[in-house]
Amino acid sequence: DTAVSQTPKYLVTQMGNDKSIKCEQNLGHDTMYWYKQDSKKFLKIMFSYNNKELIINETVPNRFSPKSPDKAHLNLHINSLELGDSAVYFCASSPPYATAMNTEAFFGQGTRLTVV
Amino acid sequence: RKEVEQDPGPFNVPEGATVAFNCTYSNSASQSFFWYRQDCRKEPKLLMSVYSSGNEDGRFTAQLNRASQYISLLIRDSKLSDSATYLCVVLDNYGQNFVFGPGTRLSVLP
Repeated sequence: DTAVSQTPKYLVTQMGNDKSIKCEQNLGHDTMYWYKQDSKKFLKIMFSYNNKELIINETVPNRFSPKSPDKAHLNLHINSLELGDSAVYFCASSPPYATAMNTEAFFGQGTRLTVV
Repeated sequence: RKEVEQDPGPFNVPEGATVAFNCTYSNSASQSFFWYRQDCRKEPKLLMSVYSSGNEDGRFTAQLNRASQYISLLIRDSKLSDSATYLCVVLDNYGQNFVFGPGTRLSVLP
């Protein structure tokens, strides 16, 4: 069973298009994240949700909008895609820090987005 | 100053070598620390958590020095399969954000 699954795995699209990446976790975690890994391989947080509520929103363009219909899902919608959006996007989830001293983040397999 | 910094690498070592990775973090209130491993074109996976007293898991030893805000990972008797990027990760003091270092790439050569 895949703990954190995201689709699609690969996404090639033209500039200006709108696209979505879906993420689901079956671990019962309260917290979900979106990370971006750029061409220099640096992993940087974009958004964090706790029980469907946004708790972290780093300086990400407004074209990126996360949606959490329930605590097991955190989707990422991107409007008006630009060349610079090309990267690998990772979804992750973790249990609440307060209740799990061995908190760790579990990652999905990533979505490789290429904007042409 | 970046929140989490690591040795720039890459490290190229022969099989059987001992290799040490260093990491420093800027937020003195951080509470939890980890080493993750990322293979090429794969997602990061937890290698080990780092506890205040230091901890060992087989060939891997992690140390934490809170006063110096310094974390280390030692790999003994390195194997070809240890080749990967090693990511130092700090959980912020709110427990809401896993902050990743830039990673150090390790290549273990036959």
